[in-house]
Parts: sequence; C-alpha cells; structure tokens
Amino acid sequence: GAVVSQHPSWVICKSGTSVKIECRSLDFQATTMFWYRQFPKQSLMLMATSNEGSKATYEQGVEKDKFLINHASLTLSTLTVTSAHPEDSSFYICSATGERTIYEQYFGPGTRLTVT
Amino acid sequence: SQQGEEDPQALSIQEGENATMNCSYKTSINNLQWYRQNSGRGLVHLILIRSNEREKHSGRLRVTLDTSKKSSSLLITASRAADTASYFCATENNQGGKLIFGQGTELSVKP
Repeated sequence: GAVVSQHPSWVICKSGTSVKIECRSLDFQATTMFWYRQFPKQSLMLMATSNEGSKATYEQGVEKDKFLINHASLTLSTLTVTSAHPEDSSFYICSATGERTIYEQYFGPGTRLTVT
Repeated sequence: SQQGEEDPQALSIQEGENATMNCSYKTSINNLQWYRQNSGRGLVHLILIRSNEREKHSGRLRVTLDTSKKSSSLLITASRAADTASYFCATENNQGGKLIFGQGTELSVKP
C-alpha cells in the first residue's frame, strides 16, 4: 500500500513559538493532502484540505493565519502552527490521496505536539 | 463538524467473541470507510463500502451499509487481543474527497 510519513513524530515547544510539521507521500504522488487534529480520547477533526500548487481550504472554525499549510510539491505538505499556545497541544495527522489511491486516503503516523 | 455517531463508545469482550460497532451519519455519501487506530498511532484503513453496496467482507471483517437508515455496522468475528484498538467510521461525500469521522468505538478484547 501507499506510504505516508510525518516528521517529527513528536515535538515539545514553548508557548509563542512556531512549529512546522511535514507530511510526505513516499511512493506516490499526492494531489491532495488533508490535515486532521485529534484531541485525547476524541475523533479526528478535519482542519484543512490542500491541493498541490493551490491554497488550502480550511474548515469552519480553523484559523488559516494560525495554521499555515503549504503543499508545494506532489510529495510534501507542511503544517505550521504559528504562535503556539497550550491549547494547540494535540495529535496532528495528515493523509494523502492521489490518482493511484483515488478512493482511499493513506494516513501518516501522526505528530504529537505539546506546547508548554 | 462530525458527520455522525458511533455506538457503543466503548466495548469490552473476551477473545473469540464477535464485536459489532455501529455508525450513523447525516448526509448523503459516496462511500463509507472504516479505520482502526491503535493508541497514539496513525490510522489504518480497514474497508471501504460504496453507497450502492449493502455488504462487504474482508477476512474477519464484515461491513454493512443501509443508506435508507444512514447507518453502517462493522462486525469483527472471532476477535483477538490484537484487535484491541479504536475503530472509526468515516464518510466521504461529494466535497472533494473529504472524510468526516464518527466519534469512534474503543474496543478492548481480553485474552
């Protein structure tokens, strides 16, 4: 199956700093990538959809200036949490889909963000 | 916003028993998918059922879909301790492949 990686797998940062999370499709071209957030014991909440070469589409209630998404190539999307606060601490998961995986999203292993 | 509900929220069974999880959703869909998540890990795709399908099997998994009731069920037969995980349903509608996840069922299979 298709492989999606995320880096880093976990990160601790201080309040007010910015953190960048990378999502890579390793063996297929990802025309679309999705970013989700998951709080403990809760489900995944879609944050935004990014298509290669265009601006991301954010879900209602997600601040686009706080969660910057860049999908500059067919294998890489990045999520930058700007001016992070403790309430941004969460598990961030990306998924990718492409021509080869049109009906299925392949999920990355997730990034655990802790803001102190 | 979440598409729908899953029940039960938590299920504890003995190894060898069957586990049934239900999912309800609110809008029309293209397909419904089931995923598994081990604690603190990413998601693993289990099975996809299209809106024109009523039942699908994959190994010990059986999924049903009732579009008139906007509901689906996942049956895991002959459960094993390794099946312990959270299970999520997710629906895909006509909005560019977006998946909307249910609340999830936390399954615990005791040896």
